[in-house]
Amino acid sequence: DARVTQTPRHKVTEMGQEVTMRCQPILGHNTVFWYRQTMMQGLELLAYFRNRAPLDDSGMPKDRFSAEMPDATLATLKIQPSEPRDSAVYFCASGLLGAETQYFGPGTRLLVL
Amino acid sequence: GDSVTQMEGPVTLSEEAFLTINCTYTATGYPSLFWYVQYPGEGLQLLLKATKADDKGSNKGFEATYRKETTSFHLEKGSVQVSDSAVYFCARGQGAQKLVFGQGTRLTINP
Repeated sequence: DARVTQTPRHKVTEMGQEVTMRCQPILGHNTVFWYRQTMMQGLELLAYFRNRAPLDDSGMPKDRFSAEMPDATLATLKIQPSEPRDSAVYFCASGLLGAETQYFGPGTRLLVL
Repeated sequence: GDSVTQMEGPVTLSEEAFLTINCTYTATGYPSLFWYVQYPGEGLQLLLKATKADDKGSNKGFEATYRKETTSFHLEKGSVQVSDSAVYFCARGQGAQKLVFGQGTRLTINP
């Protein structure tokens, strides 16, 4: 049963620290999405990649967030420096080129103190 | 721009009750429509989808029909169970494989 995996599942850090979240998309999927979920804003699209190339990162605060796909099996989302307002659940999702269905990972729950 | 509006929650029902969660979408183009479900502590899972007008998506006793004339995709289930307690998200395709999600509706089923 192929699944999207995310690590870590939980992260508590202090303001100013760097946070790195990792995602392994389903093997063979060539689109990857990063979302942030909060009670106030709901589900927001931060960035997405197709064939490892970033297509849209307009939802991401550019000064502190960065997203990359070093290879087809790994996507990373970094926050540096982190702030309390970054506390949220971050989801990665993957999909097949040409198909709209997205498959979500379990999320990374981030708390910045 | 593209948007999805869902029935506000939370919704609380008794077991075996009939469920409807309303969803409407902006009518630009002919998007695919989706319902996702999020159980506590988990990511979103695809529940059902429909890709064209009058299509009915169904899964696990849930159904939704793509209504182009009313730009709606309401989720229904005839008899809910406690295990259906979750947050339900309606979504529409936005092109380039992106999805636009509604704000989510929290459903609680009491025994």
